[in-house]
Amino acid sequence: QSALTQPASVSGSPGQSITISCTGTGSDVGGYNYVSWYQQHPGKAPKLMIYDVSKRPSGVSNRFSGSKSGNTASLTISGLQAEDEADYYCSSYTSSNTWVFGGGTKLTVL
Amino acid sequence: QVQLQESGPGLVKPSETLSLTCTVSGGSVSSGSYYWSWIRQPPGKGLEWIGYIYYTGSTNSNPSLKSRVTISVDTSKNQFSLKLNSVTAADTAVYYCARAYCSRTSCYLEDYWGQGTLVTVSS
Repeated sequence: QSALTQPASVSGSPGQSITISCTGTGSDVGGYNYVSWYQQHPGKAPKLMIYDVSKRPSGVSNRFSGSKSGNTASLTISGLQAEDEADYYCSSYTSSNTWVFGGGTKLTVL
Repeated sequence: QVQLQESGPGLVKPSETLSLTCTVSGGSVSSGSYYWSWIRQPPGKGLEWIGYIYYTGSTNSNPSLKSRVTISVDTSKNQFSLKLNSVTAADTAVYYCARAYCSRTSCYLEDYWGQGTLVTVSS
């Protein structure tokens, strides 16, 4: 299985909005509404931010939102804050009953 | 609150077998709908899903690692384990255990992860 495709880096200023894309195939992102997003700060385990494309776990800020169109899913962070600076990974369930991750996107808050 | 904790050697020699155990507390590896998973992250690189085991003993793994991966569960100890054989330097990574949830309408790696353990492959 091939990794999902994410941009290597994105950046934005505090208060702005940014969007991170995650492109797969019809066998993963496009075939299921089972895309999730994880935030990872250096030296820490990943933290679940969005699951099932657009659902937010309890405790996650509503500044984080998810969507999907065809084979591409997106994570949008509005009202950027300094603490949002981290690596972000998408993940999808696949037709082979496995999971696949994206390559990761480094978010820099300017 | 579900907690997971990885344990095992931090150094493995090339061509040998990497063995890790994940101890689960606050939840049972015998519960349905949960898939007990392993994920790894090479230093400075991204996440790679390794595989999972269901409480029935059913397993699945990343096709790129399938021939070298064995995942097992010990319900009496509430633990599950990973064995990766014939390791090389490319297997050096932080290894995480995590819980995934799947139902008819939902499927995702939850927010229950171990803190990760660094395994270095070197002679």
